[in-house]
Amino acid sequence: DVKVTQSSRYLVKRTGEKVFLECVQDMDHENMFWYRQDPGLGLRLIYFSYDVKMKEKGDIPEGYSVSREKKERFSLILESASTNQTSMYLCASSFFSGMRDTQYFGPGTRLTVL
Amino acid sequence: DQQVKQNSPSLSVQEGRISILNCDYTNSMFDYFLWYKKYPAEGPTFLISISSIKDKNEDGRFTVFLNKSAKHLSLHIVPSQPGDSAVYFCAASEGNKLVFGAGTILRVKS
Repeated sequence: DVKVTQSSRYLVKRTGEKVFLECVQDMDHENMFWYRQDPGLGLRLIYFSYDVKMKEKGDIPEGYSVSREKKERFSLILESASTNQTSMYLCASSFFSGMRDTQYFGPGTRLTVL
Repeated sequence: DQQVKQNSPSLSVQEGRISILNCDYTNSMFDYFLWYKKYPAEGPTFLISISSIKDKNEDGRFTVFLNKSAKHLSLHIVPSQPGDSAVYFCAASEGNKLVFGAGTILRVKS
């Protein structure tokens, strides 16, 4: 079974703090994705990566950056957290290039920024 | 402006009956569509998909219908079971991007 794990299930941070969200997959997938899920808006793509050290902006990259130093690990960074970044963050991975292939999601991190 | 819309925030169905979840899209370039299911405190899991060259795809109790002229797809669950209670997300693919709808909460009553 594919397993995607995220470093924290719940996180509380203060405005202005730097926040790291970690995601690890164990299936040697090339592709990894970061989404945020908000009520009434569904899942929105923040950043994705097709290879190590490679990243592409999604639909809402502002205020975020990512890092992929190893194939199995994809980190989402909030350089200076703001209250409007309070959300559920979901990481996903998939095997083939392109978005047609099934994405496997982690359990999510509920981030609250005070 | 949302390109993928799930206009029903919630749906309640009796066990054994059919559940129909709807999804509309606006971008005619979308060529592949997926449904994901999400339980509380878990990530979404892939349920079923359909290519734009088809109008129907079936997998056990789950069937997805695509009406390209109406830019509409639907997920049918027959028969519905209490374990189907979850949030269902419709998603559409255009090249290398997936666009998700807002989700529909399905409650199956026993």
